Amino acid sequence: AQKVTQAQTEISVVEKEDVTLDCVYETRDTTYYLFWYKQPPSGELVFLIRRNSFDEQNEISGRYSWNFQKSTSSFNFTITASQVVDSAVYFCALSEANSGAGSYQLTFGKGTKLSVIP
Amino acid sequence: NAGVTQTPKFQVLKTGQSMTLQCAQDMNHEYMSWYRQDPGMGLRLIHYSVGAGITDQGEVPNGYNVSRSTTEDFPLRLLSAAPSQTSVYFCASWTLPSNYGYTFGSGTRLTVV
Repeated sequence: AQKVTQAQTEISVVEKEDVTLDCVYETRDTTYYLFWYKQPPSGELVFLIRRNSFDEQNEISGRYSWNFQKSTSSFNFTITASQVVDSAVYFCALSEANSGAGSYQLTFGKGTKLSVIP
Repeated sequence: NAGVTQTPKFQVLKTGQSMTLQCAQDMNHEYMSWYRQDPGMGLRLIHYSVGAGITDQGEVPNGYNVSRSTTEDFPLRLLSAAPSQTSVYFCASWTLPSNYGYTFGSGTRLTVV
């Protein structure tokens, strides 16, 4: 069965600090997708990134970067020079491609609450 | 282009009451799902549908019913609400390949008293 672990429940950083959110996943499938979502205090889920299992290239988007390592089953998310607007709950999620009718369902981690202090 | 629309946004129910959470998408996506979000638990899958007329259970299906008579709509029914169903509910839709992330609705905050 697929599983996503976000060991950090809450993190507090001072503005402009860098912060890394950890995500470790478990899956038996060779084809799968990994996601990060942001949930600001307003409650909506904001899609940040999708990565498929065949693409281990790291990705950078502005102050955000993602490090995907299949060898350690990790998909970590780093925010550089954090800002108050980054305060939110961040979810890592996994979907498998070959699990029958349940394929592509998202399995979420429990989330990491990030607080950026001015 | 509305995406995924959930109604209502907020609801208070008394124990034992029934209600339907509505979810509609206008993207012609084959797949739709319902999740519930509880503090410290992340989002957990309730039910999902792979097409009109086809539904299946997720991780936490007890107390909920679904049907999918059209591609666009995927309502979630609570037949007899319980305080344990107090939660935030999210509907999502997507198509294959799932390369673009799921599209989530804005959520329904349900309180059962």
